[in-house]
Amino acid sequence: QQQVKQSPQSLIVQKGGISIINCAYENTAFDYFPWYQQFPGKGPALLIAIRPDVSEKKEGRFTISFNKSAKQFSLHIMDSQPGDSATYFCAASYASYDKVIFGPGTSLSVIP
Amino acid sequence: DTEVTQTPKHLVMGMTNKKSLKCEQHMGHRAMYWYKQKAKKPPELMFVYSYEKLSINESVPSRFSPECPNSSLLNLHLHALQPEDSALYLCASSQTPGQGLDYTFGSGTRLTVV
Repeated sequence: QQQVKQSPQSLIVQKGGISIINCAYENTAFDYFPWYQQFPGKGPALLIAIRPDVSEKKEGRFTISFNKSAKQFSLHIMDSQPGDSATYFCAASYASYDKVIFGPGTSLSVIP
Repeated sequence: DTEVTQTPKHLVMGMTNKKSLKCEQHMGHRAMYWYKQKAKKPPELMFVYSYEKLSINESVPSRFSPECPNSSLLNLHLHALQPEDSALYLCASSQTPGQGLDYTFGSGTRLTVV
């Protein structure tokens, strides 16, 4: 029940296209859903995050969509660029549980 | 300073060696973490120091030993490791433990056990 599922495992998108990564969870106690971006040889970096009382959050080219009833959330990267090529992890946590549960990750390649 | 600094960046050690990984942050964060990450996998939590209290992932073997000398420093002592312990070891810190709001990760130590 603490698991976060993520798909696809890998994604190839042409430059200028839209990258979409989907995640799902079971534990309704989760109240915070961050996305992390990780480049090779680096630690993960917080990209964008959302709470379940919000259905959508946009920061630049990155948008999180959240469907509380379906227990699903997704990351959309608009106008994808080669510099966006990285591994993306969705995650979930709640305040009284001092742990972040990571999804398995999506390797994104944006080709020119 | 908005960084988590980890040293060394790379470490090769034999199975009989004792070594330590170091992590430092000067953001005033109240919680620090050790994560282990294998290739193409998500980070796995090993230890948490939150408000000077240690929490352990019980699946972590005793050959890994954390130490928190003060609120800015976190060490991971390694002894008698196995080749399967080869991985990227990540340190992270957070001002708001449990919420993931501002988890800041270091760049990690790439550990190879031979």
